[in-house]
Amino acid sequence: EPEVTQTPSHQVTQMGQEVILRCVPISNHLYFYWYRQILGQKVEFLVSFYNNEISEKSEIFDDQFSVERPDGSNFTLKIRSTKLEDSAMYFCASKREVEQPQHFGDGTRLSIL
Amino acid sequence: AQKITQTQPGMFVQEKEAVTLDCTYDTSDPSYGLFWYKQPSSGEMIFLIYQGSYDQQNATEGRYSLNFQKARKSANLVISASQLGDSAMYFCAMREAQGAQKLVFGQGTRLTINP
Repeated sequence: EPEVTQTPSHQVTQMGQEVILRCVPISNHLYFYWYRQILGQKVEFLVSFYNNEISEKSEIFDDQFSVERPDGSNFTLKIRSTKLEDSAMYFCASKREVEQPQHFGDGTRLSIL
Repeated sequence: AQKITQTQPGMFVQEKEAVTLDCTYDTSDPSYGLFWYKQPSSGEMIFLIYQGSYDQQNATEGRYSLNFQKARKSANLVISASQLGDSAMYFCAMREAQGAQKLVFGQGTRLTINP
């Protein structure tokens, strides 16, 4: 069964450094999302992407964050200057159609030192 | 704003018993979707079951069923014949009908199945 693939599984970065989280959504999916889960807390929406542009973003998704779909398969989340509070699990999700459930990747655990 | 409430932070159940995980939601939108996801200790999010607001029947997927009570705005997950592998965090989520249709998650319930 097709899966959403995220790399790396764990990223350790010094505060202030840039980090890029990578995702390969399921190939025929059209809607893409990034979510964040701080340890022990609920999953929070960051941003959604459709038709090669951001369709919605949350208050968390400030100017430090950006997303890109550089080719037909990858979907990336960039954090320009990481802060300690960016430490979290980051999930990529995708779906093909409006009514279908979102399928999540296994997540990238980001640790900021 | 849409909101999901899961009032059980933790539940302990004996293996082979049925378990119900509670979820209530709040929305003014007549069209919405309700989802349950399982998160094992390894961290991934696994889709379990979906219920649309206009669906006439409660959703079922194997041992999972969703007890959808629209008037009460509740969407409880029922797991029949629980197994040790069911031990995990369970999240209820709602999809907005408008805009990007992001998921709004509840706080989750940690389910522990005892042998």
